[in-house]
Amino acid sequence: KAGVTQTPRYLIKTRGQQVTLSCSPISGHRSVSWYQQTPGQGLQFLFEYFSETQRNKGNFPGRFSGRQFSNSRSEMNVSTLELGDSALYLCASTQSSYNEQFFGPGTRLTVL
Amino acid sequence: AQTVTQSQPEMSVQEAETVTLSCTYDTSESDYYLFWYKQPPSRQMILVIRQEAYKQQNATENRFSVNFQKAAKSFSLKISDSQLGDAAMYFCALLSSNTGKLIFGQGTTLQVKP
Repeated sequence: KAGVTQTPRYLIKTRGQQVTLSCSPISGHRSVSWYQQTPGQGLQFLFEYFSETQRNKGNFPGRFSGRQFSNSRSEMNVSTLELGDSALYLCASTQSSYNEQFFGPGTRLTVL
Repeated sequence: AQTVTQSQPEMSVQEAETVTLSCTYDTSESDYYLFWYKQPPSRQMILVIRQEAYKQQNATENRFSVNFQKAAKSFSLKISDSQLGDAAMYFCALLSSNTGKLIFGQGTTLQVKP
């Protein structure tokens, strides 16, 4: 089985722009979660999608949004980028919410 | 609020020796799961070991084992016969059965010396 894939792997944007990151889960996995990883804040939960519905949400501003498609692929969008949004964004998939999550390689976002 | 605390930012171990990474957590729930994840320098997060809170028996995966003390809310990871490939950042994580959120500790960087 192919693992979780994320595209793009690296991204450079400037303040004020918006960005869309993509995540393809492991085949058969219906739950996709997103995390932000920074040296200062560590790993923080952004949101979780299951069957195209956002089921859980972390404490991030409304500039961070996401969606999930019928094939379980998920996208997250960050609008009006700020310097502090520079981070590694990790996507994880699981068959159900209460199993171990399998992580993708991440997208490294740099905001200049 | 649920929290996970890893009090050791860095640890080092000699190759072939044993090392224990500490983790404490706090939750008011009775049904939850605990994990140790490994993140090598390549950044891909890999599951090391998993423990269900309702199970008293400590989980073991080859050279990796945990010491799960539910009353003390402690969940340490023991790595036996350490190998150079074990060098990575290790994260302790708590999964709430109610929210489905995975809460991570701050991580422990493990260095393995040859």
